[in-house]
Amino acid sequence: QKEVEQDPGPLSVPEGAIVSLNCTYSNSAFQYFMWYRQYSRKGPELLMYTYSSGNKEDGRFTAQVDKSSKYISLFIRDSQPSDSATYLCAMSLLTSTSGTYKYIFGTGTRLKVLA
Amino acid sequence: DTGVSQDPRHKITKRGQNVTFRCDPISEHNRLYWYRQTLGQGPEFLTYFQNEAQLEKSRLLSDRFSAERPKGSFSTLEIQRTEQGDSAMYLCASTLRELEPYNEQFFGPGTRLTVL
Repeated sequence: QKEVEQDPGPLSVPEGAIVSLNCTYSNSAFQYFMWYRQYSRKGPELLMYTYSSGNKEDGRFTAQVDKSSKYISLFIRDSQPSDSATYLCAMSLLTSTSGTYKYIFGTGTRLKVLA
Repeated sequence: DTGVSQDPRHKITKRGQNVTFRCDPISEHNRLYWYRQTLGQGPEFLTYFQNEAQLEKSRLLSDRFSAERPKGSFSTLEIQRTEQGDSAMYLCASTLRELEPYNEQFFGPGTRLTVL
């Protein structure tokens, strides 16, 4: 079983729709939860990070973490064609070997917002 | 340009050849990471540096792979005797240790390697 599971999609939605992207994880030691957006032929860019269970909002984006269920979500409101990209969840935990944070990424969900 | 840069952006090589990639991180960032990303997958951690010290290596990093960051600035990733399974996007990211873990890893555009 992978430490982080993410549906690869693709997910196609009409412009203006609310998009829900999800990841589940198995390691309860994960401490920080991040969402990255990756456009084709580009490196990932950080959208949001969260630490505790609950919601965090930034403009049209809302990140949600449920540590009891080991489940995180990213909601995109009023989706735009420019939101078409691959969305990667990522999680970090402190490693004992080097005293630094190890980042594990999901496979990414490909999103297409149709105009 | 203040972002992370990688060179080359694309590399096509024949099986058995050696290749070297370069990453220039954001200048004040003391941590540098290398990841590998294959089609339909998320980035997989390969190794990271704190200044010039290589502090951790993934089991994915076989003996054919070596990475350096000689002066704590740019880094190189070399693959010797390339295999077709090495074909992937190699991503570099940098960050400032003091802001971890909730700071941003800034990713470069990646080097896409194709091994024929």
